[in-house]
Amino acid sequence: KNEVEQSPQNLTAQEGEFITINCSYSVGISALHWLQQHPGGGIVSLFMLSSGKKKHGRLIATINIQEKHSSLHITASHPRDSAVYICAAQKTSYDKVIFGPGTSLSVIP
Amino acid sequence: EPEVTQTPSHQVTQMGQEVILRCVPISNHLYFYWYRQILGQKVEFLVSFYNNEISEKSEIFDDQFSVERPDGSNFTLKIRSTKLEDSAMYFCARQGQRAIRGTDTQYFGPGTRLTVL
Repeated sequence: KNEVEQSPQNLTAQEGEFITINCSYSVGISALHWLQQHPGGGIVSLFMLSSGKKKHGRLIATINIQEKHSSLHITASHPRDSAVYICAAQKTSYDKVIFGPGTSLSVIP
Repeated sequence: EPEVTQTPSHQVTQMGQEVILRCVPISNHLYFYWYRQILGQKVEFLVSFYNNEISEKSEIFDDQFSVERPDGSNFTLKIRSTKLEDSAMYFCARQGQRAIRGTDTQYFGPGTRLTVL
């Protein structure tokens, strides 16, 4: 069983829609990461969470430690948001990051 | 966000050849990592490096792989005799500079695409 799971695997949305990507994990963590990977392949860190909620622009990440669940929300989605969004768990500080399978998002104009 | 650079961006090699992938993190970082992503698959951990020693390695990181920090700055991943299945995107990452008091995050380089023919 994968230690980090995501849903949905693929997501297509109309421009302007509110988007939610879900992540569940089965391990104890010190931090949960949300990352973005564009078709060129580079990985960009969006958020690192250990509790509660963080917001950056149109992106919001939440985590529920008790339920071992995190969500990434995108408000007012735009075609430039099209990318693969990856949830990743870190068990202890400075430990390796355990990657989820990613959610491929396509936002259509 | 402090940069991590990787060279080359793309490496094509013949099976059985040695390759060296380079990562140039900011020098005050202590923790370094190599990950790889085979096309269409999720990112996998290879090895972590702390204080000039390997701190953890995965099953993938067999005797064909080695890591070094030869000059105290560059951080290299060497594959001694490449196989077809080594074709992947290789990412260097670093952690150690505190972006916000009490927290750190792991930053990734842009990756090196290795193609083994």
